Amino acid sequence: DTAVSQTPKYLVTQMGNDKSIKCEQNLGHDTMYWYKQDSKKFLKIMFSYNNKELIINETVPNRFSPKSPDKAHLNLHINSLELGDSAVYFCASTTGGDTGELFFGEGSRLTVL
Amino acid sequence: GQNIDQPTEMTATEGAIVQINCTYQTSGFNGLFWYQQHAGEAPTFLSYNVLDGLEEKGRFSSFLSRSKGYSYLLLKELQMKDSASYLCAVTDSNYQLIWGAGTKLIIKP
Repeated sequence: DTAVSQTPKYLVTQMGNDKSIKCEQNLGHDTMYWYKQDSKKFLKIMFSYNNKELIINETVPNRFSPKSPDKAHLNLHINSLELGDSAVYFCASTTGGDTGELFFGEGSRLTVL
Repeated sequence: GQNIDQPTEMTATEGAIVQINCTYQTSGFNGLFWYQQHAGEAPTFLSYNVLDGLEEKGRFSSFLSRSKGYSYLLLKELQMKDSASYLCAVTDSNYQLIWGAGTKLIIKP
């Protein structure tokens, strides 16, 4: 059983389109994240949800919007895609707390043409 | 600003020992993580240090010196499957996780 699963794994689309990436975790964790990893391999946090409340919202464009229907799901919707949005997007979850180990999904590679 | 520094790339020989260093400057400190990331895959947890000293876990050990803002990951008896990127990450005073860019480790036969 996959602990953190995201779909799709690969996404190729044109500039200006709108797309969504879905994430689900079956670990019973309270906190979920979306990270962006660009070609330089830095992991940049985008959003964090704790019990359906947004608790971190880094300086990302408002074209990106997280949606959490319940605490096991955190989806990422992106409007008006730009070339610079091409990256690997990772979903992750944790029990929280200061020693919380992150469990990552397999990543979704987005390519904007 | 907050900063995590680690070497970009290292090369080692199968069966040998390698030490990957990480230095950090953050606003506060609430723990340091090491993650392993194979190419095209997600990061996976390796270790967590919050107190000074060495934590050993099989072939992998992680060391922390809070006064020096320094950690290292020590890999012994290297295997080809250890070829991966190793990411250092620090939790700051607000419990935000700050990530380094990772060290790509290449293992040669």
